Amino acid sequence: GDSVTQMEGPVTLSEEAFLTINCTYTATGYPSLFWYVQYPGEGLQLLLKATKADDKGSNKGFEATYRKETTSFHLEKGSVQVSDSAVYFCALSPFTGGGNKLTFGTGTQLKVEL
Amino acid sequence: DSGVTQTPKHLITATGQRVTLRCSPRSGDLSVYWYQQSLDQGLQFLIQYYNGEERAKGNILERFSAQQFPDLHSELNLSSLELGDSALYFCASSVIATGELFFGEGSRLTVL
Repeated sequence: GDSVTQMEGPVTLSEEAFLTINCTYTATGYPSLFWYVQYPGEGLQLLLKATKADDKGSNKGFEATYRKETTSFHLEKGSVQVSDSAVYFCALSPFTGGGNKLTFGTGTQLKVEL
Repeated sequence: DSGVTQTPKHLITATGQRVTLRCSPRSGDLSVYWYQQSLDQGLQFLIQYYNGEERAKGNILERFSAQQFPDLHSELNLSSLELGDSALYFCASSVIATGELFFGEGSRLTVL
């Protein structure tokens, strides 16, 4: 079945450092890929998405590129802020454009310190 | 604010009891999803409803059931509760065409 693998956390960075959170997936067909973020005490919010190979999703300085050849969707940000501290979830939806349940990775906690 | 409303936010109950969690989706969203988030299992998909009909089922225990009503709100019923059912239960709704899920803030269930 479909699965998503994320790097283990927590990831601790200093403010303005470069962030990479690795995500790889296993799925049949052409899934859509998502990054969600969960701030403390809140529900998950969509951060960015990509629906086909080589698409780049971006939002709030975060980027991720859908790499079908490596089945990856790594999250990057050039300069993190303390306010980026949260748990980040990679997810896939099995149909192009979505329309079905999401399968989530285990989440990666990011802590950004001054 | 995602537009998805969940009640109650917190619930403490005893083993063997039954609880009902309620979810109101975003206006216009026909699809509702329930997820369980626990420390050891991560975010697990439980069940999806679309316009009142069950659409997909995940790792939902037989002691749990759900339904979606004509006004599109949904309820998740958890019965014969065990300590291991303590978790954060999220509801989400979606626009089917985009696949993006909009999550509520969750209902935290503690079973003592």
